[in-house]
Amino acid sequence: AQSVTQPDIHITVSEGASLELRCNYSYGATPYLFWYVQSPGQGLQLLLKYFSGDTLVQGIKGFEAEFKRSQSSFNLRKPSVHWSDAAEYFCAHKTGANNLFFGTGTRLTVIP
Amino acid sequence: NAGVTQTPKFQVLKTGQSMTLQCAQDMNHEYMSWYRQDPGMGLRLIHYSVGAGITDQGEVPNGYNVSRSTTEDFPLRLLSAAPSQTSVYFCASTTDLIDGYTFGSGTRLTVV
Repeated sequence: AQSVTQPDIHITVSEGASLELRCNYSYGATPYLFWYVQSPGQGLQLLLKYFSGDTLVQGIKGFEAEFKRSQSSFNLRKPSVHWSDAAEYFCAHKTGANNLFFGTGTRLTVIP
Repeated sequence: NAGVTQTPKFQVLKTGQSMTLQCAQDMNHEYMSWYRQDPGMGLRLIHYSVGAGITDQGEVPNGYNVSRSTTEDFPLRLLSAAPSQTSVYFCASTTDLIDGYTFGSGTRLTVV
């Protein structure tokens, strides 16, 4: 089945620590992959996207993601987390012509 | 610089009532979609449109209707609201799915 899996429902990190959020996809020879962030009460904002080329993608707010075809993964990383990064993060995968399939999300808590 | 505008932001309905959730974008995007967001389930596609006059069903279309008479507007109609339709609804648009969506800020709907 076409799907995106985010295995971590909730992650807590200390401010200044590094962050990695996991995403695995299971469909597509040429996957189109995205990471979105949702702050409380807000819509989703695009952080970064990948569809070809360099497998390390830079996004906004200091985030990056690495596409690894051998592991079917597209993990999101940030070297040093800020308190304002506390939010919910969604991985998404373009499946077919007309849909983005979203994962179930990972909620990030940042502690001082 | 409006982007995607959704109205209303909050709504409470009684079971069996009907209503229309409004969505408008000013970016001349051809693609528009409606998603619902439920805890632990991520975002699920309800209906989408690839241009004026063209709509199609997503993953969870039952109980919802859409139309696309103009490029700018993509309203979502609940014909007879049910408690299972309690959710947060997001409208999104894009010129091309490989670019990712621009999301509205959402409508929180409660059906009692």
